[in-house]
Amino acid sequence: KQEVTQIPAALSVPEGENLVLNCSFTDSAIYNLQWFRQDPGKGLTSLLLIQSSQREQTSGRLNASLDKSSGRSTLYIAASQPGDSATYLCAVRGGTSYGKLTFGQGTILTVHP
Amino acid sequence: EAGVTQFPSHSVIEKGQTVTLRCDPISGHDNLYWYRRVMGKEIKFLLHFVKESKQDESGMPNNRFLAERTGGTYSTLKVQPAELEDSGVYFCASSQQGAVGYGYTFGSGTRLTVV
Repeated sequence: KQEVTQIPAALSVPEGENLVLNCSFTDSAIYNLQWFRQDPGKGLTSLLLIQSSQREQTSGRLNASLDKSSGRSTLYIAASQPGDSATYLCAVRGGTSYGKLTFGQGTILTVHP
Repeated sequence: EAGVTQFPSHSVIEKGQTVTLRCDPISGHDNLYWYRRVMGKEIKFLLHFVKESKQDESGMPNNRFLAERTGGTYSTLKVQPAELEDSGVYFCASSQQGAVGYGYTFGSGTRLTVV
């Protein structure tokens, strides 16, 4: 059974800092890994999708890496802004079941001015 | 293109009542998924449709939950009778058929409160 863990559970940083969010998973047989952002009361917005054959993906100030063999992914946010404040969720697809995502509990990020 | 649409956005019902949630996926997406997040827990898978067929319903908590997808278009999730522990946010997502390498698009969710 796939299990996904995100560390830290919460993070508070001043504006401008670079930060790293961590995600680990127990079953390395994944198809892909996706990072989402959730704002309070809103749905999930996909940030980055990394295929199992890829090592990293970049979008703007965001960079996600994947080390499938060790069951780890990191989301790097450069030059954080107050607008980055949200819950960040890591989800893996695959393992023993086709299609479904297994989520971590998320990291609540607060960037203060 | 229009995204995944869910309604209602909020629902408050009494224990024992029935509630029906609806999800309209992105047009052309054959895969439709239901997930939910209960207070303090991670988002968990409920079930997966491919067109109108249930591909995987291993996450459905019990037989009080009934999901349908008529004609392979929109889907409904009915909870009957609702219990207090059913409270949470119910998310719907869709993706392209056969696109294992593609990501999901999620709706904004339905926040269900059972009192």
